[in-house]
Amino acid sequence: SQTIHQWPATLVQPVGSPLSLECTVEGTSNPNLYWYRQAAGRGLQLLFYSVGIGQISSEVPQNLSASRPQDRQFILSSKKLLLSDSGFYLCAWSWTSILETQYFGPGTRLLVL
Amino acid sequence: AQTVTQSQPEMSVQEAETVTLSCTYDTSESDYYLFWYKQPPSRQMILVIRQEAYKQQNATENRFSVNFQKAAKSFSLKISDSQLGDAAMYFCALKLYAGNNRKLIWGLGTSLAVNP
Repeated sequence: SQTIHQWPATLVQPVGSPLSLECTVEGTSNPNLYWYRQAAGRGLQLLFYSVGIGQISSEVPQNLSASRPQDRQFILSSKKLLLSDSGFYLCAWSWTSILETQYFGPGTRLLVL
Repeated sequence: AQTVTQSQPEMSVQEAETVTLSCTYDTSESDYYLFWYKQPPSRQMILVIRQEAYKQQNATENRFSVNFQKAAKSFSLKISDSQLGDAAMYFCALKLYAGNNRKLIWGLGTSLAVNP
């Protein structure tokens, strides 16, 4: 079976500090990978998706970047955090098929102070 | 542009009873998929049920079923024999079949409370 991990679970960072959130998937190869942000009381906003190593598509221009150094590893980064970066970050994976049902990780709560 | 609308921000149901959550969507495409996801207090997003638009038969997963009305662009979720563990945010989502579009279009969610 497939599992998806995210860490850390919770993070409190000062404004202007760097960020690195990690997501890894087990039990599958060459998955599609996704980063979402969910602000309090809001729906999900797709930030990035990747269909393969080194292949990143950005949906929303902002203070964040993503990288996929390995097949099942997806990293969300920032050089300098803003207050508006606070939120709940979810990583998801899907099969590389037309249906592409997305399966989500447990998420990371980020608070920027 | 595609949109997904959940018109009920909050709903409640008594334990063991049935509740229906509404979702309407708009797309000019004919091939797409629809999903219901559940987000409990832990905030992990869990797939509840999915429906392929080309299938006329409504999808069912145990106590969860959908009423898919393609012409009306409606995709409601029915939860039967509600349990306390069903309390969560429920999100409706749309994905187009065609092209390289990897986006899920999300509704804003319905918060479901289950009363004992």
